[in-house]
Amino acid sequence: GQNIDQPTEMTATEGAIVQINCTYQTSGFNGLFWYQQHAGEAPTFLSYNVLDGLEEKGRFSSFLSRSKGYSYLLLKELQMKDSASYLCAVRDKGDSNYQLIWGAGTKLIIKP
Amino acid sequence: KAGVTQTPRYLIKTRGQQVTLSCSPISGHRSVSWYQQTPGQGLQFLFEYFSETQRNKGNFPGRFSGRQFSNSRSEMNVSTLELGDSALYLCASSIGHTDTQYFGPGTRLTVL
Repeated sequence: GQNIDQPTEMTATEGAIVQINCTYQTSGFNGLFWYQQHAGEAPTFLSYNVLDGLEEKGRFSSFLSRSKGYSYLLLKELQMKDSASYLCAVRDKGDSNYQLIWGAGTKLIIKP
Repeated sequence: KAGVTQTPRYLIKTRGQQVTLSCSPISGHRSVSWYQQTPGQGLQFLFEYFSETQRNKGNFPGRFSGRQFSNSRSEMNVSTLELGDSALYLCASSIGHTDTQYFGPGTRLTVL
C-alpha cells in the first residue's frame, strides 16, 4: 500500500540544527514535497526533490534517497519563527493517475 | 500575481444545512485541490479538479462534492452538515495536475 511516516513532534533549541525525517512506501514515486504550516495558517511550499541528493535553500535543505524511500528536511540556525508543522507529500503514479499522498506532519517546537 | 483566494473565510452553520465554499486559483493555474484539516490533524484530501474534470478523489462520503468552472474557479459543496464537518477547508491551486500546491487562507467552517 501507500504510506508516509513522519515523527509526530520534535523539540529543538534556538540556534541549533534539526533534521525532520520522512519515510515513504509508494508504488510509483515521482517526487517529494516539503511544506511548512504555522498554526492557524495555510501550508506554504518549501522544497521539491525528484532526484537523489541534497537541495539547499538558505537555512533549509532537503535530501532524498529513492532507493531507501527516505527524505529529510534540515533546518539550520533555528529561529523561534521556525516553530511550525512540517508536512511531507509524495507524488505517486498509481495505476493510471498521479496523486499526492500526504504525511500527517511533524510539529516542531523551538525553545529559547 | 494574486494568490489563491477563498470565500467566505468564516462560516457558521447548523446540522442538516448545506454549504458551498468557493476558491479562485492563481491566474494560469488549471488544477484545484480541496483539503479538510481538523485541529491537530494533517491534511485530509477531498478531491482534485483539472480542466473541469475530477482527477482524484479522497475517502469522503458523497455529501462532499465539488466542481470546477471553465475559468478554473472551483466550488465545494457539503450537504446535510454534521458536527464532525467542523474544520478548516483549504483550497490549493497548481499549474498542472499534482504540481506544487499553492494554498489559499482557508474557510473555517463551524457546524453547531
